[in-house]
Amino acid sequence: ETGVTQSPTHLIKTRGQQVTLRCSSQSGHNTVSWYQQALGQGPQFIFQYYREEENGRGNFPPRFSGLQFPNYSSELNVNALELDDSALYLCASSLSGISTDTQYFGPGTRLTVL
Amino acid sequence: GQQVMQIPQYQHVQEGEDFTTYCNSSTTLSNIQWYKQRPGGHPVFLIQLVKSGEVKKQKRLTFQFGEAKKNSSLHITATQTTDVGTYFCAGRDSSNTGKLIFGQGTTLQVKP
Repeated sequence: ETGVTQSPTHLIKTRGQQVTLRCSSQSGHNTVSWYQQALGQGPQFIFQYYREEENGRGNFPPRFSGLQFPNYSSELNVNALELDDSALYLCASSLSGISTDTQYFGPGTRLTVL
Repeated sequence: GQQVMQIPQYQHVQEGEDFTTYCNSSTTLSNIQWYKQRPGGHPVFLIQLVKSGEVKKQKRLTFQFGEAKKNSSLHITATQTTDVGTYFCAGRDSSNTGKLIFGQGTTLQVKP
């Protein structure tokens, strides 16, 4: 196991609602990246947090937002949920934000939007 | 934007046969990583390639990074049923943000 944990495991929401997903990074890691994985697709980068600051963002609308806390755990918030937001949401922690660091993935949160 | 293409999408092999998946990027990569995802699971890191022309081996798995750092391959010799899963390549560009661009993955099925 990678030591990266995510909660909740599964979540069902309805269109228009808001959701918060949580991630605890591996001990000693100060960087968390979030990815969205639709069924049958590769993970898509949402954004990365390094030492509590956003450090890069993918092609996701502003209703996807995040936070990183002083203990380096992180939250992903999604407002005004749409049906297409149904996916597996993965967080990955790494030692730092540099490009050669390995990213270790958590088990993911399966979000279903009805 | 930058894209990473991976082929084939699916591969069914008889146990003992070899398997290869190929990855191509639209731009030069800083490095490339390979992950394996079992059904219902999450991506598990396999290896990272950084240098042009680099070749790394892990038991029956051989990973290559192209000379131009725009393509990569994963070859599995003598597949076993435990190799079943989806293999993803993920490239990093030169922006140094740590952002990974994943390919669509190759799903391997192994018939015993």
